[in-house]
Amino acid sequence: DGGITQSPKYLFRKEGQNVTLSCEQNLNHDAMYWYRQDPGQGLRLIYYSQIVNDFQKGDIAEGYSVSREKKESFPLTVTSAQKNPTAFYLCASSSPGGLGKNIQYFGAGTRLSVL
Amino acid sequence: QKEVEQDPGPLSVPEGAIVSLNCTYSNSAFQYFMWYRQYSRKGPELLMYTYSSGNKEDGRFTAQVDKSSKYISLFIRDSQPSDSATYLCAMRNAGNMLTFGGGTRLMVKP
Repeated sequence: DGGITQSPKYLFRKEGQNVTLSCEQNLNHDAMYWYRQDPGQGLRLIYYSQIVNDFQKGDIAEGYSVSREKKESFPLTVTSAQKNPTAFYLCASSSPGGLGKNIQYFGAGTRLSVL
Repeated sequence: QKEVEQDPGPLSVPEGAIVSLNCTYSNSAFQYFMWYRQYSRKGPELLMYTYSSGNKEDGRFTAQVDKSSKYISLFIRDSQPSDSATYLCAMRNAGNMLTFGGGTRLMVKP
């Protein structure tokens, strides 16, 4: 089955701790994205990567870091500098289609809470 | 002012009703318009994709885009309890970046 796998489903962070959220895709998509979702605020872009070994900051990158060493994988680290990390984190991937079509497909999400 | 505005709801309707969900936007460069459905504690799934103005129908779902008014709609006919979810509109220009509305929570009561 092709898709995007996020793990873990639930994650708890202690004060001052860095935590890493995993995102793996087997869709052979070039681009991958990380979003944060808070109640009533829709999805906000944290980081995105158009190609391996390259990534750019989104709208709310402070306190987060990413790497893109493999096409299939785009892990997100929530650092201790992120003071309000409690949220639902969504990973997406996309690939160009015909007529400018470029659909983003999402994983099932990771819910991060602070202990 | 947000670039994409969407009424958060909740919108509660009886089973079988026609549902109308809407978004307004301010960026005239948006060309591609999408509706995603998100069940509680799940990732969004794409429902409808439209390019430029016009209507697109898929089963019980119709997406409508009016670029002159900067207004998009999603209609659901014969709504079912299984349609209860949060509906997110999303749009983009020629690039890859999506801008999302805040989502409307829909509840369809049996």
